[in-house]
Amino acid sequence: AQSVTQPDARVTVSEGASLQLRCKYSYFGTPYLFWYVQYPRQGLQLLLKYYPGDPVVQGVNGFEAEFSKSNSSFHLRKASVHWSDWAVYFCAASFPGGNYKPTFGKGTSLVVHP
Amino acid sequence: DAGVTQTPRHEVAEKGQTIILKCEPVSGHNDLFWYRQTKIQGLELLSYFRSKSLMEDGGAFKDRFKAEMLNSSFSTLKIQPTEPKDSAVYLCASRGTDYEQYFGPGTRLTVL
Repeated sequence: AQSVTQPDARVTVSEGASLQLRCKYSYFGTPYLFWYVQYPRQGLQLLLKYYPGDPVVQGVNGFEAEFSKSNSSFHLRKASVHWSDWAVYFCAASFPGGNYKPTFGKGTSLVVHP
Repeated sequence: DAGVTQTPRHEVAEKGQTIILKCEPVSGHNDLFWYRQTKIQGLELLSYFRSKSLMEDGGAFKDRFKAEMLNSSFSTLKIQPTEPKDSAVYLCASRGTDYEQYFGPGTRLTVL
């Protein structure tokens, strides 16, 4: 079955440190992939998206993600975390074989320490 | 461009009441989604419309949840009758041809 997994429910980093949030998908082909961020009491906002092409995609606020077909992964990275990055991050996929219905991971809560 | 609008932002209902949540998608988007968000279950898809046709009705949510697209620029989600376990944030999202979803701010529902 098609699915998206975020193995880390919570990640804690110090301000200024680098960050990687993990995302893996299950699908025989190549889905469209997305990272969204949710700040408290708000809806989700798009950080970046991947369509088949260059495996490294750049997003807003210094975020980037790398697609790996061999690992079925789409990990999110940032070189230097800011306190304002404290939020919940969701990985999502739309699968061409499934009406492009979006499937979300359960989210990773990012905590930033000063 | 205006984003996705959801009203009301907060709703308090008594158990057994009927409530209707409203959503206006981004103009020109053909796909519309309703989600329920809780801390325990995360994001759960309730309904998925494409060009006003229902593509997915959320399986387990069919009983008391009914989403409708009254026209291409307005959708409602009716919960009838409400139960305390329905307390959650309800998110509406729309999507264009690039498959990127735009989310509204959500409606926080509390059922007493």
